[in-house]
Amino acid sequence: NAGVTQTPKFQVLKTGQSMTLQCAQDMNHEYMSWYRQDPGMGLRLIHYSVGAGITDQGEVPNGYNVSRSTTEDFPLRLLSAAPSQTSVYFCASSRDRILAGLPEQYFGPGTRLTVT
Amino acid sequence: AQSVTQLGSHVSVSEGALVLLRCNYSSSVPPYLFWYVQYPNQGLQLLLKYTSAATLVKGINGFEAEFKKSETSFHLTKPSAHMSDAAEYFCAVSEGGATNKLIFGTGTLLAVQS
Repeated sequence: NAGVTQTPKFQVLKTGQSMTLQCAQDMNHEYMSWYRQDPGMGLRLIHYSVGAGITDQGEVPNGYNVSRSTTEDFPLRLLSAAPSQTSVYFCASSRDRILAGLPEQYFGPGTRLTVT
Repeated sequence: AQSVTQLGSHVSVSEGALVLLRCNYSSSVPPYLFWYVQYPNQGLQLLLKYTSAATLVKGINGFEAEFKKSETSFHLTKPSAHMSDAAEYFCAVSEGGATNKLIFGTGTLLAVQS
């Protein structure tokens, strides 16, 4: 298994540009989520999904959109990038909590995004 | 709402010394607690988790954590630090309910001096 993969690893955007961060997992996990990591603030949840076709907002959803058309993929879209979105973005996946108790969340390697 | 507080954003120890990283939680229900480690330029990896089965939890790489309800704490320890333990460590609490949402602390960067 490749686990959780993220592309690209690095990206530089200009203010106002849009882009999509890709996340895929090959473990047939129901639950997927996106976090952003900023210095001194830990990881904060942006959006999450409990299955294909179902998404919900996390702690810091503004400026981001997500969709979940398949079990494997969970892309994160920045509609109009702002310097405040400069961060490291992590995707994570796990089995569904109801089905699997308290499953481990698996994290991707991250995407480092800079908005100028 | 649940939250975690990690005391000390930077901790430095000598190789072979005890490692103690502090985590306190706030929760209105019995919590599920986790410790994750992040090596430079990598994603997070689970060290251990507390699920109420036992108060002393053993994890990978010689780490363990003890759940103390009276102190609302879940401190991470390792008897003897190794250079390879240098990393950032995050405590997290599960928000509960039907999802796997995690609330993370702000992290503690562990430096190991030779």
